[in-house]
Amino acid sequence: SAVISQKPSRDICQRGTSLTIQCQVDSQVTMMFWYRQQPGQSLTLIATANQGSEATYESGFVIDKFPISRPNLTFSTLTVSNMSPEDSSIYLCSVVQGPGSTEAFFGQGTRLTVV
Amino acid sequence: QKEVEQNSGPLSVPEGAIASLNCTYSDRGSQSFFWYRQYSGKSPELIMSIYSNGDKEDGRFTAQLNKASQYVSLLIRDSQPSDSATYLCAVNRNFGNEKLTFGTGTRLTIIP
Repeated sequence: SAVISQKPSRDICQRGTSLTIQCQVDSQVTMMFWYRQQPGQSLTLIATANQGSEATYESGFVIDKFPISRPNLTFSTLTVSNMSPEDSSIYLCSVVQGPGSTEAFFGQGTRLTVV
Repeated sequence: QKEVEQNSGPLSVPEGAIASLNCTYSDRGSQSFFWYRQYSGKSPELIMSIYSNGDKEDGRFTAQLNKASQYVSLLIRDSQPSDSATYLCAVNRNFGNEKLTFGTGTRLTIIP
């Protein structure tokens, strides 16, 4: 499977600020996703990162709060904007490698704490 | 009704025994089913995928799918302490759109 590098691995941020999380894959992948895992809970899909176009957001998530870029087939960023303590979560990048593949793999995650 | 439901546990199983993890899903049109293992503080790791009714075996792991009953399970044979983790069931509704819906996870503890 592809090697997925996500950074930063963790950060502590002040409320009202923004943090950009990067996801780099060592090979071209067809699909990239961003998930959130709140403390003690399961994963929730934030959006599908579309290469060269606007991301597709799930219900409850908006572009102004979670702007996403995907300039090519190996890289994506997620920004958490105007942060509040409720944004404290683990943010995970996920990829599906190629056409016909359905298996999704995850980066190591970014543990965000907002104070 | 949640889209993907799992017993949150904790489930305690003696070392060497069979651990049985269950998952039900609400969307009858779901196509692909996955089991992820997540150790504390780590990201989910894919351990099994299953697409057709029946059993699929991989080493000590067996996934079972029954689409009529909207039920998928994971059996872990000869459980080891290293199997202690949270197991997440994930469902994909459509081929070609690989978005996953996750259950809340079952925390499994293997007792030495």
